[in-house]
Amino acid sequence: GEDVEQSLFLSVREGDSSVINCTYTDSSSTYLYWYKQEPGAGLQLLTYIFSNMDMKQDQRLTVLLNKKDKHLSLRIADTQTGDSAIYFCAELGFNKFYFGSGTKLNVKP
Amino acid sequence: GAVVSQHPSRVICKSGTSVKIECRSLDFQATTMFWYRQFPKQSLMLMATSNEGSKATYEQGVEKDKFLINHASLTLSTLTVTSAHPEDSSFYICSATSLFDTEAFFGQGTRLTVV
Repeated sequence: GEDVEQSLFLSVREGDSSVINCTYTDSSSTYLYWYKQEPGAGLQLLTYIFSNMDMKQDQRLTVLLNKKDKHLSLRIADTQTGDSAIYFCAELGFNKFYFGSGTKLNVKP
Repeated sequence: GAVVSQHPSRVICKSGTSVKIECRSLDFQATTMFWYRQFPKQSLMLMATSNEGSKATYEQGVEKDKFLINHASLTLSTLTVTSAHPEDSSFYICSATSLFDTEAFFGQGTRLTVV
């Protein structure tokens, strides 16, 4: 469960949708998570999805899980400048969290 | 959601001194706490996992004698960076989970600068 990969950067315009992608390797992961990190701060849990689910929606956030391809995505609808941050996906394996490299989301006004 | 408080948020120390970072779970009992280190523009590197009342489990490559972890109670874990050197300068983040909860809650992080 240690190879969690994400693209490093994403730039979108305010009001557009953002889609951040993540691939993971541990098929036994029970939960997959999205965390947000603002500059100089800790991580804030945004949402998580149980591995037997395909989709989870929470207000502006939609998580899609393709377990066959081990692909996880986070869609942020109506992206705002306050959404600019680094987003980490993580998988829970053997009571440890393995994090991706983080995707820096830049929202242009 | 649950709250994890990490203190201090920033610390500057001289080379050769030791620094202690505290991580407290404020409204739940943290059976497991994790300590991470984050280098600039990089992801979090898990340093060690600690369970209340037992010795911490360190990840490969992390010196347990340099990074002392104590998890003496269900609400407090400490990380002590001993004999700090400039290369120990980094952002350290703790997280905590409870026995029946698969969510990890993170502290605000500590920016350590060793001069």
